[in-house]
Amino acid sequence: DAGITQSPRHKVTETGTPVTLRCHQTENHRYMYWYRQDPGHGLRLIHYSYGVKDTDKGEVSDGYSVSRSKTEDFLLTLESATSSQTSVYFCAISGGDSTQYFGPGTRLTVL
Amino acid sequence: GDSVTQMEGPVTLSEEAFLTINCTYTATGYPSLFWYVQYPGEGLQLLLKATKADDKGSNKGFEATYRKETTSFHLEKGSVQVSDSAVYFCALRGPYNTDKLIFGTGTRLQVFP
Repeated sequence: DAGITQSPRHKVTETGTPVTLRCHQTENHRYMYWYRQDPGHGLRLIHYSYGVKDTDKGEVSDGYSVSRSKTEDFLLTLESATSSQTSVYFCAISGGDSTQYFGPGTRLTVL
Repeated sequence: GDSVTQMEGPVTLSEEAFLTINCTYTATGYPSLFWYVQYPGEGLQLLLKATKADDKGSNKGFEATYRKETTSFHLEKGSVQVSDSAVYFCALRGPYNTDKLIFGTGTRLQVFP
């Protein structure tokens, strides 16, 4: 299994609070991704990174920001959480061979 | 833009039945195609992939053939097991994207003994 961990695995928070999710990899892969998974939508790309300090938006980036200061860590921040951001969040990594490896997910509930 | 369409589930089968999950795509150029599987409570795992037309991906008894003429990548297995119960996602990677994947909505498979 690819070495990808996500923290926390579960989080309950209130509307308007900031939330940061962490993705950590031990594979030294260049590309990292954040997705959200919602019923009826499959997985949708939020943001991705193609190197340290190099990030770009995906299809559902509004309300989210990311940072990557080290190869191994990719942080996803919800500046002011809303109920529509209740979801399961997955991190993925890729070494550039087109195969993505996924972390175990973080279940976020915004009340 | 690029997109993937999967058959809606759930697909309910008895053990040892034949499985087909349909997947069609819309893309410019010649994308790479993937099937991922998600077991309950887990992240997605790559099941198989194909990178060019007429390629057949296979793994764990599952197969899918890249059909450019019908823009399809249907997943098949000759004899399913209870342990195959999961959600299956078809995905494509466009030739001009930086490893970004576009996923279908997923198809839940339930296999009963």
